[in-house]
Amino acid sequence: DSGVTQTPKHLITATGQRVTLRCSPRSGDLSVYWYQQSLDQGLQFLIQYYNGEERAKGNILERFSAQQFPDLHSELNLSSLELGDSALYFCASSVWTGPQETQYFGPGTRLLVL
Amino acid sequence: GQQLNQSPQSMFIQEGEDVSMNCTSSSIFNTWLWYKQDPGEGPVLLIALYKAGELTSNGRLTAQFGITRKDSFLNISASIPSDVGIYFCAGQQSNDYKLSFGAGTTVTVRA
Repeated sequence: DSGVTQTPKHLITATGQRVTLRCSPRSGDLSVYWYQQSLDQGLQFLIQYYNGEERAKGNILERFSAQQFPDLHSELNLSSLELGDSALYFCASSVWTGPQETQYFGPGTRLLVL
Repeated sequence: GQQLNQSPQSMFIQEGEDVSMNCTSSSIFNTWLWYKQDPGEGPVLLIALYKAGELTSNGRLTAQFGITRKDSFLNISASIPSDVGIYFCAGQQSNDYKLSFGAGTTVTVRA
């Protein structure tokens, strides 16, 4: 158990719909990263938040957005869903030991768009 | 993002054998990480490497950070059935917080 929690574990929805994925980082971790894992693209970085502020953006579609709240949990919002959005979505939180950062992953949310 | 070249893509091994896999990149990385992912689960960190040339062990696992900072390898000694899974390398560059991942090595152990 990494200490990172994600809900829901599974989500089935239809094209055009909107869903919200939730992540709670490990106690004390300020950074939250979101990744998408699909069969054809592998693990891809979407976005990072640090202490409530967006810090880095990766291959995140405009239909997707995220935020990190004052209690440090984060939500990833996916809208106008398409079949190709079906994937595993992971969040990770990180700990710094001096100059070194290590990311720990949650169990993921499996999204199926029908 | 920057994609790492991980090989082999898959391997079938006999229980008790040693396993080797590696990752290469055309870019320099400041951190190399090795993760294992079981079906339906998130990646679990196995070994983290932070210095070029560093050799680190975690039980039967040994990983090295290449001297050029463009590669890393992972060895698993005396494999057992629970070593089955997908192993990912990941790298982090100095000017970037995100991780870039290899495509994974699927390990299947024959009893």
